[in-house]
Amino acid sequence: QQPVQSPQAVILREGEDAVINCSSSKALYSVHWYRQKHGEAPVFLMILLKGGEQKGHEKISASFNEKKQQSSLYLTASQLSYSGTYFCGTVQLGNQFYFGTGTSLTVIP
Amino acid sequence: EPEVTQTPSHQVTQMGQEVILRCVPISNHLYFYWYRQILGQKVEFLVSFYNNEISEKSEIFDDQFSVERPDGSNFTLKIRSTKLEDSAMYFCASEREGRLEQYFGPGTRLTVT
Repeated sequence: QQPVQSPQAVILREGEDAVINCSSSKALYSVHWYRQKHGEAPVFLMILLKGGEQKGHEKISASFNEKKQQSSLYLTASQLSYSGTYFCGTVQLGNQFYFGTGTSLTVIP
Repeated sequence: EPEVTQTPSHQVTQMGQEVILRCVPISNHLYFYWYRQILGQKVEFLVSFYNNEISEKSEIFDDQFSVERPDGSNFTLKIRSTKLEDSAMYFCASEREGRLEQYFGPGTRLTVT
């Protein structure tokens, strides 16, 4: 039931791009993306609803393929401030919400 | 900007003791959540609460746990008899409408000795 994220960890140099994937075995109503910095609470990035939509937030965007029950988060031209652990959160049909396994992203100068 | 607050920020308790973790959600929000995060691990869903009752709970949320919204502003998580493995960061979150953006509080670090 818990969505699986890949990769588990990634290290980038400033300016490089990254993709984080989130995959569920259950049918999904929506996918949320959160970023958590060390010692802090998760912070909402964006939500994607059914319909295969794609959303953007400056240089961070995401897509949701409801047929494949997958979502991907795209980070372009990464900045040092992007470092943190990224969690997807999925709302399954039946309203159950689960956080993904997490992806640790480290951006180095 | 309104925010979710939690108290205390850090609670130390002895095994077997009862603890109550408090949260004040954003005032016009209707959905409330508790999550747990053991140090270095993923965020785990405990329970969601809507319309003064539990709407969902996970396997972690056993009879040791209970939630209340005693006065229309506070949202509490009670652990009746704490165990060492309950040591974790506990986050409260609230949401204006179901299935949308959740706003997280800063967390309460619970240490059971």
